[in-house]
Amino acid sequence: NAGVTQTPKFQVLKTGQSMTLQCAQDMNHNSMYWYRQDPGMGLRLIYYSASEGTTDKGEVPNGYNVSRLNKREFSLRLESAAPSQTSVYFCASSGRVSQPQPQHFGDGTRLSIL
Amino acid sequence: SQQGEEDPQALSIQEGENATMNCSYKTSINNLQWYRQNSGRGLVHLILIRSNEREKHSGRLRVTLDTSKKSSSLLITASRAADTASYFCATAGFNDMRFGAGTRLTVKP
Repeated sequence: NAGVTQTPKFQVLKTGQSMTLQCAQDMNHNSMYWYRQDPGMGLRLIYYSASEGTTDKGEVPNGYNVSRLNKREFSLRLESAAPSQTSVYFCASSGRVSQPQPQHFGDGTRLSIL
Repeated sequence: SQQGEEDPQALSIQEGENATMNCSYKTSINNLQWYRQNSGRGLVHLILIRSNEREKHSGRLRVTLDTSKKSSSLLITASRAADTASYFCATAGFNDMRFGAGTRLTVKP
């Protein structure tokens, strides 16, 4: 019973490099989310996907792109990494985004940009 | 910007004592949720209270919601060392959810 699986768990990048963070859920959820967590800031929403085939910007989308590959998978891409994107990234899923329901989180990807 | 703001930022208590954490928010909500995060892990959902509810219980957890004051509280009774974690409130609007910065709870054995 995996729930939400994120890969990789850790990554170090140099400024300007690109990478894709992967997320998959096995709960047949419609909605998926990407957050970043910085010290003292709580979680901030980067992008979300209310259903397969749709994506929308959250609070802090600049510098990121997403792809909802299918119902299970939602990836986050950094095209040109910057030190300000050093953070812990969490993927989450829920049954639906309207009438918000509990979200299920992965264990995060710890990303450092040098 | 964050919607919910937890208070206190940090709380340290002895095992067996009760822990109370508060959350204030600014706009109208659909529901309010509380989550726990153990060090190095993702958030785990604890309890959801709808805007038309005033109090909800789940095991040793008690959550209250006062929409007139735009505030909520989470009470953990008879705390255990395993309750040591960060606790976050999340306010849910129609199609988004905003998290506060959290309360760091330490329960000393």
